[in-house]
Order: sequence, then structure tokens, then C-alpha cells
Amino acid sequence: EAGVAQSPRYKIIEKRQSVAFWCNPISGHATLYWYQQILGQGPKLLIQFQNNGVVDDSQLPKDRFSAERLKGVDSTLKIQPAKLEDSAVYLCASSLAPGGHQETQYFGPGTRLLVL
Amino acid sequence: GNSVTQMEGPVTLSEEAFLTINCTYTATGYPSLFWYVQYPGEGLQLLLKATKADDKGSNKGFEATYRKETTSFHLEKGSVQVSDSAVYFCALRSFYSGGSNYKLTFGKGTLLTVNP
Repeated sequence: EAGVAQSPRYKIIEKRQSVAFWCNPISGHATLYWYQQILGQGPKLLIQFQNNGVVDDSQLPKDRFSAERLKGVDSTLKIQPAKLEDSAVYLCASSLAPGGHQETQYFGPGTRLLVL
Repeated sequence: GNSVTQMEGPVTLSEEAFLTINCTYTATGYPSLFWYVQYPGEGLQLLLKATKADDKGSNKGFEATYRKETTSFHLEKGSVQVSDSAVYFCALRSFYSGGSNYKLTFGKGTLLTVNP
């Protein structure tokens, strides 16, 4: 079974530029998550989708971050404009069913973003 | 709110040494508890989990017991190998107020280095 795919793996941009990340979840997984992992910290949930609808985006900085999951499969996360503090690893994860109490999330390799 | 506190690293051990990484949590309701591992350059992988008090999760020689009375989920392994070198994250998933989903909350991670 193929895992969660993410691209690009690395990205370097200058502040105020825009950037987009792509995620392809495990086939059949209805729930998709985007996390931000700042160096030395644990991942922090940015947004959660159930199929193509948003379940939780309470920690997404909506003035600069946006995400979509068209057709309930692939997802893109965009930052516009980027700030220095956005330097982090952006992780995508997916799970099989609606986020139940015992549901296991499967993570992709992440996209490492450096904002100069 | 929910939070996870794990021992700060880095932890450096010799091969075949005994490993303990402490993890304590604060949560509303009855959380499920997880240990994730992140090998260099890779995404997070679920190592083990426990869904109710006194459950013991185990995998690849690692184990952790869900202790409700001490709100702890310490990770242990009797004899570590060089290949166990990675970052280990303790996490919980619990229903949280204001939302209808089950949010995964991570600790900051503990870097383990095992020397031959």
C-alpha cells in the first residue's frame, strides 16, 4: 500500500513570496490533516478535512495560509505572503475514517520550508 | 486544554542499554495515547498506542503502559539498537471542547542517539 505522498520535499523562498505544498493521501482515506512542525517542537495541527469539507481550521493563520481539498482526494496548502517564522516542516497525514477516538493517522515525509 | 510533556533530550545511550523516555499528559475526557517515531529525513510513524487505562502498547521491543492515576505513558525498551536512533514523540488524542473531531496533540519530541 502506497503511503502519503508530499511534494516538494524542500523549498527555499524569500519572505513575502508565496509557496504551495501538495499532498496525496493514502487511497480511500477520508480524513486529511496538515501539520506545521517548527524545529524543536512537536507537530501542530493547522487544518483537518473530512472528504472535501473543513472540520477544523482553528489554528490556521487565515490571513496568509489557505488550503483546499478538491474532490476529496489531493490537497494543497498555500502560504501567501510568507514570513520568516513560517520556516518549518509541513506534514500531511491521512486517516481512514472520520476522526474517531482511536483512529490512526499516517504521515507523509513532509516538506521542509526555509524562508529567508 | 490538552497537553503533553515529555522528557527533554537529547538522550544518548550505548547499544543494548535500557531506554526510558518519560511522558505525562493533561487531557479532558478519556484520551488515547500514542508514541510516534521520526527517523532522519522521514515522516512520523506510529510506534505504539493504548486506548484505555492500564492498556499496554508494544511494538518492535518498545512498550508503554497507559497509567491514568499518574497521567503517564512512559516509553521503554530493554535493549536499544543503533537503528533505534530517531526522534520520539508522545501524543494524545481526545475530544476537545468547541469541536466535533478528535485532535492529536504532540509533545516536543525526544532525540535518541544510540552508539555502537
